[in-house]
Amino acid sequence: EAGVTQFPSHSVIEKGQTVTLRCDPISGHDNLYWYRRVMGKEIKFLLHFVKESKQDESGMPNNRFLAERTGGTYSTLKVQPAELEDSGVYFCASSRGGRSSYNEQFFGPGTRLTVL
Amino acid sequence: AQRVTQPEKLLSVFKGAPVELKCNYSYSGSPELFWYVQYSRQRLQLLLRHISRESIKGFTADLNKGETSFHLKKPFAQEEDSAMYYCALSGDSGYSTLTFGKGTMLLVSP
Repeated sequence: EAGVTQFPSHSVIEKGQTVTLRCDPISGHDNLYWYRRVMGKEIKFLLHFVKESKQDESGMPNNRFLAERTGGTYSTLKVQPAELEDSGVYFCASSRGGRSSYNEQFFGPGTRLTVL
Repeated sequence: AQRVTQPEKLLSVFKGAPVELKCNYSYSGSPELFWYVQYSRQRLQLLLRHISRESIKGFTADLNKGETSFHLKKPFAQEEDSAMYYCALSGDSGYSTLTFGKGTMLLVSP
């Protein structure tokens, strides 16, 4: 089965521009997570969708970040306007449905965002 | 607040030597602990979780609630074990949002 895919793999933009990252979870996975690793720091949780609903967005850094998951399938994460500190690797992960921490999260390859 | 600490950025050993990657956590409830691994040019993947109490690729990890630790161990390291290892915690809310440590790079030399 195809794994979690992310697009693009790498994005280089200038400060003030807008970037949209996309994540396609494993088919049938209701849970979709976004994480971010800023250089030198740990991978941090951004938000969690259950189907099309935002279950937890406590990790979103500010209102320049907007995540959507229309129809409960793929998700997009838009950064507008991008700032230098947004540079990092953005990971998406998905897991099967249900309120169970036994559901393994499968990670995508990540999108490396560089803001100049 | 929940936190995961991996004190070593880099651990370098020779093939055949024992390995212990340290992980300490802070959480007020009953967490679930995981080890994730990222091999070169591959994606992050689950290595093992404490609830399974299993050995994967020769690695084991025991949850020590008294010391709030979940160290990853392997008696004899192999070159193919070279990778970035992340310890992660999931709270008891029912959903598996993960809190990661900063990771430890394991280098196994021949």
